[in-house]
Amino acid sequence: ETGVTQTPRHLVMGMTNKKSLKCEQHLGHNAMYWYKQSAKKPLELMFVYNFKEQTENNSVPSRFSPECPNSSHLFLHLHTLQPEDSALYLCASSPESTVSYGYTFGSGTRLTVV
Amino acid sequence: GDSVTQMEGPVTLSEEAFLTINCTYTATGYPSLFWYVQYPGEGLQLLLKATKADDKGSNKGFEATYRKETTSFHLEKGSVQVSDSAVYFCALSGGGSNYKLTFGKGTLLTVNP
Repeated sequence: ETGVTQTPRHLVMGMTNKKSLKCEQHLGHNAMYWYKQSAKKPLELMFVYNFKEQTENNSVPSRFSPECPNSSHLFLHLHTLQPEDSALYLCASSPESTVSYGYTFGSGTRLTVV
Repeated sequence: GDSVTQMEGPVTLSEEAFLTINCTYTATGYPSLFWYVQYPGEGLQLLLKATKADDKGSNKGFEATYRKETTSFHLEKGSVQVSDSAVYFCALSGGGSNYKLTFGKGTLLTVNP
């Protein structure tokens, strides 16, 4: 257990479904991140939240909708996904101003879109 | 912008062999440097880090030295084990980005008994 918990660990959804991924940390960190990890591709930063405010959206399609209700929780709402969205979705957190400590990652949600 | 280049894999070694995974970076300012490891089916775990030039990060027998003159942060281990089989990611933070980590593409290491 790293201190960042992601649920569910595995998710299979149809292209017309709506689902949400959840990330939770109680490390006292103020920045949270969503990354996408696809086979044979580099890690792709999707969203960055700092003190609950979205500070970066890396041209992510609108079928992915993040939500950060407080500094401890981060959600990724999914709707009308495509098969190419199948990937491992990783959540991470870091102290906002102490970037030299790096990130703490969750174990990820393995998403399969059918 | 900031970038990280690490050697292409996969790397396949026999147990007890010496490991080097090369990593070079481009960044403005003075970044911090990291190595992360990802075991099969898991997220990324911080392996080691260095925050300033000439610092050496070390953990679990792995080492990497922050070389500002060559903009490198190569990962080494003197004697690998089967349990070291994983994907290794070099990353940097700071530099031109406030708190964003920039990752390399990852290097798959397979250690055979």
